Amino acid sequence: IAGITQAPTSQILAAGRRMTLRCTQDMRHNAMYWYRQDLGLGLRLIHYSNTAGTTGKGEVPDGYSVSRANTDDFPLTLASAVPSQTSVYFCASSEDTYNEQFFGPGTRLTVL
Amino acid sequence: GQNIDQPTEMTATEGAIVQINCTYQTSGFNGLFWYQQHAGEAPTFLSYNVLDGLEEKGRFSSFLSRSKGYSYLLLKELQMKDSASYLCAVMDSNYQLIWGAGTKLIIKP
Repeated sequence: IAGITQAPTSQILAAGRRMTLRCTQDMRHNAMYWYRQDLGLGLRLIHYSNTAGTTGKGEVPDGYSVSRANTDDFPLTLASAVPSQTSVYFCASSEDTYNEQFFGPGTRLTVL
Repeated sequence: GQNIDQPTEMTATEGAIVQINCTYQTSGFNGLFWYQQHAGEAPTFLSYNVLDGLEEKGRFSSFLSRSKGYSYLLLKELQMKDSASYLCAVMDSNYQLIWGAGTKLIIKP
């Protein structure tokens, strides 16, 4: 693989279910990010990781959790999905926190 | 609070020039980024400005004035494939990107 991959591409989920969105990069980037993109709004940061083993909360972290066990993977978990979490989710990575970010193809999530 | 403003939508003609403006108010400044996003796709990096002035990269140029909290993206010799949303983002004092809602650019033949 080259760059960043995300899975699944899209998903329809019943409210209350648990869901993990996967993100993998092969660029050996230190920093990784999860954003959500909603119509009419800018990208909003959910969680980030500046380096493997560390994570931090972004602008809209409630209802989401992340882990960064290694450099390549940065999964995002919705513990109990709610309809307001319907969105397009983008994973991104950057060499370091001050570099440009590269984005994965996105996951379109619908919570009913 | 932190705020990034850019026009919601602009229309231009193929072959022409268009300027997309971005104004910002953020807690700290560590650079301004422009990204392009085609419908249904991921954002892709276009340019980065951290010092005042113009950065040119082919048909695209980006300008920054830190004292005015202002940037613009200039697209020359417009092509139909330039139809996309253009996102302005500022890196704040915590090295996090604050994003504008994007400007949808429509190119007409």
